[in-house]
Amino acid sequence: DSGVTQTPKHLITATGQRVTLRCSPRSGDLSVYWYQQSLDQGLQFLIQYYNGEERAKGNILERFSAQQFPDLHSELNLSSLELGDSALYFCASSSQPAGEDTQYFGPGTRLTVL
Amino acid sequence: AQTVTQSQPEMSVQEAETVTLSCTYDTSESDYYLFWYKQPPSRQMILVIRQEAYKQQNATENRFSVNFQKAAKSFSLKISDSQLGDAAMYFCAYSRGAQKLVFGQGTRLTINP
Repeated sequence: DSGVTQTPKHLITATGQRVTLRCSPRSGDLSVYWYQQSLDQGLQFLIQYYNGEERAKGNILERFSAQQFPDLHSELNLSSLELGDSALYFCASSSQPAGEDTQYFGPGTRLTVL
Repeated sequence: AQTVTQSQPEMSVQEAETVTLSCTYDTSESDYYLFWYKQPPSRQMILVIRQEAYKQQNATENRFSVNFQKAAKSFSLKISDSQLGDAAMYFCAYSRGAQKLVFGQGTRLTINP
């Protein structure tokens, strides 16, 4: 158990809908990262937050947004869902603001868009 | 942009034997970090081992060790005394530290009893 929690474990929804994925980092970790794992794109970085502020953006679609709250949990919002958004979404957390910084992953949320 | 390449989509090994998974990467940076993550059928991403680029000594964690060749930009993972529980997808990853991980495409490792 990495100490990172993600809810829900599975999500099945329809095209055009909106969903929210939730992540709670390890105790004391200030950074949260979101990754998408799909069959054709592999593991792709979406976005990073550090202590409530957006720190880096990757290949995140405009239909997707995220935030990190004062209690450090993070939410990834996916809207106007398309079939191609079906994937495993991981959250990872780490503690350091710079330098050596190992990321520990949550169990993931499997999103299926029908 | 940094890239990570795993040239072996699949590998198999007999139980108790040794296997080496290959990884190469491309970067113009001198300070960075390299990782191997394991993804078993449960799909959980589990850290196996990490290496700091500034350290010449190869990292070791029990049966897992790496061969880090900085000049060649190569970072292979050696698994000794393979066990059935080692069966998984293995991902090589690169980071500049406190920044995103860039992953390779993965190597599926099968352990034959």
